[in-house]
Amino acid sequence: AQSVAQPEDQVNVAEGNPLTVKCTYSVSGNPYLFWYVQYPNRGLQFLLKYITGDNLVKGSYGFEAEFNKSQTSFHLKKPSALVSDSALYFCAVKGTGRRALTFGSGTRLQVQP
Amino acid sequence: NAGVMQNPRHLVRRRGQEARLRCSPMKGHSHVYWYRQLPEEGLKFMVYLQKENIIDESGMPKERFSAEFPKEGPSILRIQQVVRGDSAAYFCASSPGTSGPNTGELFFGEGSRLTVL
Repeated sequence: AQSVAQPEDQVNVAEGNPLTVKCTYSVSGNPYLFWYVQYPNRGLQFLLKYITGDNLVKGSYGFEAEFNKSQTSFHLKKPSALVSDSALYFCAVKGTGRRALTFGSGTRLQVQP
Repeated sequence: NAGVMQNPRHLVRRRGQEARLRCSPMKGHSHVYWYRQLPEEGLKFMVYLQKENIIDESGMPKERFSAEFPKEGPSILRIQQVVRGDSAAYFCASSPGTSGPNTGELFFGEGSRLTVL
């Protein structure tokens, strides 16, 4: 079985400050890890993924995520938050084989001006 | 290159009616996934299909729900005898496959929002 935990329902950060959205996972074998963002009444948009290679992955809109195998984590980060980053963020995992992505419950990011 | 197309975007049904949601994957994609999102909740996997095959339906309710992805035409998610608890956003996603540089990455449609009165 594969699962994802996003322990924070909401993260509040001031514009210009760094942000972190947490994600831990459980999967058999090597994980494929993803972050998606959802704006109100829209579908999910892909931000970044980790398949293999460097533990620090850079993605769209200045976001990055760090894969930590020992802690089974894949936290999303951004050095300087923008008000326009306010949205719902989903972490997802997939193990090897023909499986669909399993998504976390989502974390609402609120960036205050 | 058109993205994943879902229709209708909004659907209102009365209890006991049927709901049909359609999804056309991105050009060149042969894998389709359906997810359900309840208000203020995350995405729950429902079913994963390839053309004419159901690969994984472990997330589908045992009754009233069915899905297909025929050789020609869009994928269809069908909900019979809808109840108020079926009210949700239903998202379709597609991918080119499960191997290669796009491994696992899903491309989502804008969703179909079902309201059951």
